[in-house]
Amino acid sequence: AQSVTQPDIHITVSEGASLELRCNYSYGATPYLFWYVQSPGQGLQLLLKYFSGDTLVQGIKGFEAEFKRSQSSFNLRKPSVHWSDAAEYFCAVGARLGDKIIFGKGTRLHILP
Amino acid sequence: DAGVIQSPRHEVTEMGQEVTLRCKPISGHNSLFWYRQTMMRGLELLIYFNNNVPIDDSGMPEDRFSAKMPNASFSTLKIQPSEPRDSAVYFCASITGTAASNTGELFFGEGSRLTVL
Repeated sequence: AQSVTQPDIHITVSEGASLELRCNYSYGATPYLFWYVQSPGQGLQLLLKYFSGDTLVQGIKGFEAEFKRSQSSFNLRKPSVHWSDAAEYFCAVGARLGDKIIFGKGTRLHILP
Repeated sequence: DAGVIQSPRHEVTEMGQEVTLRCKPISGHNSLFWYRQTMMRGLELLIYFNNNVPIDDSGMPEDRFSAKMPNASFSTLKIQPSEPRDSAVYFCASITGTAASNTGELFFGEGSRLTVL
């Protein structure tokens, strides 16, 4: 069964600083990997996804993520954060399209002015 | 498109009462997921349907929980009887399941916040 671990519950960075949110997954084959963002009181919105091919994927709002099979990781990065990036970020894994998607527990991002 | 529509947005009830949460998926989406979000457990998958058929309900916490999808445009999650530990935000999400058009993106509703006193 697939699982996702986000080791950081909270992360605080200064506005303009770079960001990396960690995600490790457990799955026997090549998984489908996702990052979603949740603003307060809202549902989740897809930031980016990896299915196959280039291991560095670009998403919306200037985010990118890199799939590293050897480390079972799919870390999310942004070179310079904005105050509007403060939200909760979820990594997710699926076995195949149309199958269930399992989410990590999330990382809450705080931005210092 | 109106997106995934959930109702009610907020529900406050007393322990022992029946709670019914409703979801209308995006038209044309044939997979529907129910998730529960709490501070302690994060976002847990409760059950998901493909073409109105329940595929995996292993996340349903106990027999007090039941879910149905009588047609492609409507699903319910019922809790009977409700308990204080059921207090959470319940999300419905839908996705198109056809191989040709599946982008893998789940579309979430805004959630139903349940408080059981």
